[in-house]
Amino acid sequence: DAGVIQSPRHEVTEMGQEVTLRCKPISGHNSLFWYRQTMMRGLELLIYFNNNVPIDDSGMPEDRFSAKMPNASFSTLKIQPSEPRDSAVYFCASMGQGNQPQHFGDGTRLSIL
Amino acid sequence: GDSVTQMEGPVTLSEEAFLTINCTYTATGYPSLFWYVQYPGEGLQLLLKATKADDKGSNKGFEATYRKETTSFHLEKGSVQVSDSAVYFCALTAPGGNEKLTFGTGTRLTIIP
Repeated sequence: DAGVIQSPRHEVTEMGQEVTLRCKPISGHNSLFWYRQTMMRGLELLIYFNNNVPIDDSGMPEDRFSAKMPNASFSTLKIQPSEPRDSAVYFCASMGQGNQPQHFGDGTRLSIL
Repeated sequence: GDSVTQMEGPVTLSEEAFLTINCTYTATGYPSLFWYVQYPGEGLQLLLKATKADDKGSNKGFEATYRKETTSFHLEKGSVQVSDSAVYFCALTAPGGNEKLTFGTGTRLTIIP
C-alpha cells in the first residue's frame, strides 16, 4: 500500500519566493494534518482537515501561510512570501476514522536562503 | 491544556543494554497514548499505543504501560540494537474523538556497538 506521499522531498529557494508543498494522503483516510519540525521548536501542528474541511488552523504561524484541501486525495501548504525562518522539515500525516493512528509522509525539507 | 513531558536526550547506550525513556502526561479524562519513532531522514512511524488505563502496548520488543495513577507511559526495551537508534516521541490524543496529537519534545537515542 502506498503511504502518505509528499513532494518535493527537498526545496531550496530564495527568500520572498512562493513555496508550495504537496501531500497525497492514504486513500480512504478522512483526516489530514500538516506539521513543521525544527530543532528549536520540535514538532508543531500547523493545521488539520477533516473531510476536506479545515478544523483547526491555530498553529499556522502567520498570514504568509495558507493550506487547502480541494479534494480527499490532495492538499497543499503554501508560504508566500517565504522567509529564512520558515526553513524546517514539513510533514503531512493522514488518519482514518475511529481510534486510528496518524500515518506520516517522509517530509519536505525546506531551506529558504 | 494537554501536555506531554518526556525524558530529555540525547541518550546513548551500548548494544544489548536495557532502555527506559520516561514519559508523563497532563490531560483531562482518559487520553489515548502513543509512542512514535523517527528514523533519520524519515517521517514518524507509530511504534505502539494504549487506549485505556493498564493497557500495555508492545511492538518490536518495545513495551509501554498506561499508568493512570502516575499519568505515565514509559517506553522500555530489554535489549537494544544499533538499529533502534532514532528519535522517540511520546504523544497523546484527548478523549472524546479529538484527533489532534500532542507530542513531547522527542528523545534522541543512539546505540553504540
